[in-house]
Amino acid sequence: NAGVTQTPKFRVLKTGQSMTLLCAQDMNHEYMYWYRQDPGMGLRLIHYSVGEGTTAKGEVPDGYNVSRLKKQNFLLGLESAAPSQTSVYFCATAPRARGDYGYTFGSGTRLTVV
Amino acid sequence: AQRVTQPEKLLSVFKGAPVELKCNYSYSGSPELFWYVQYSRQRLQLLLRHISRESIKGFTADLNKGETSFHLKKPFAQEEDSAMYYCALPGKAAGNKLTFGGGTRVLVKP
Repeated sequence: NAGVTQTPKFRVLKTGQSMTLLCAQDMNHEYMYWYRQDPGMGLRLIHYSVGEGTTAKGEVPDGYNVSRLKKQNFLLGLESAAPSQTSVYFCATAPRARGDYGYTFGSGTRLTVV
Repeated sequence: AQRVTQPEKLLSVFKGAPVELKCNYSYSGSPELFWYVQYSRQRLQLLLRHISRESIKGFTADLNKGETSFHLKKPFAQEEDSAMYYCALPGKAAGNKLTFGGGTRVLVKP
């Protein structure tokens, strides 16, 4: 039982390059989230999904796109990476049950944009 | 807008000393609040939620609606408590979204 798996774990990009981060879960959770973690700023929500085929913007969506074509996968894309997107990215999942905020987190992706 | 503030970026205490992590929030209505923890080389995980009124690993947190606070406390810190702690507040819209505070790093010295 892998839970929530993020790939890759590390990546260095040049400014302007693109990449996709993958979050895969085997917990059958409806809700999935992408957060970025920056020192002193905590975790900020980028995008989220409440089910297959649906996505919505979070607090800091600019410069990112997402897709949820399959229930178990939530992809985060950077079309043209910028140094300000250097961060640690976390995926999290939660069941649909109202008020269940017991998120299951992935191990994170450390992205550096140079 | 709802907001979570953790005023201390770093707390350094000696083993056996009490530790208190501050969390203040702004929210209209009756909030639920949570503490998440990230130990070194481990994933973020839920530590406790106020609604359950439980003590986990010796930590407790009381919701004070008058002071809009949800401080996390432990009377005798242990070295294994060294970690990053985040206070979190749910949003009102659907989707079970959480707003996290800026985090407090706790270092327990031997």
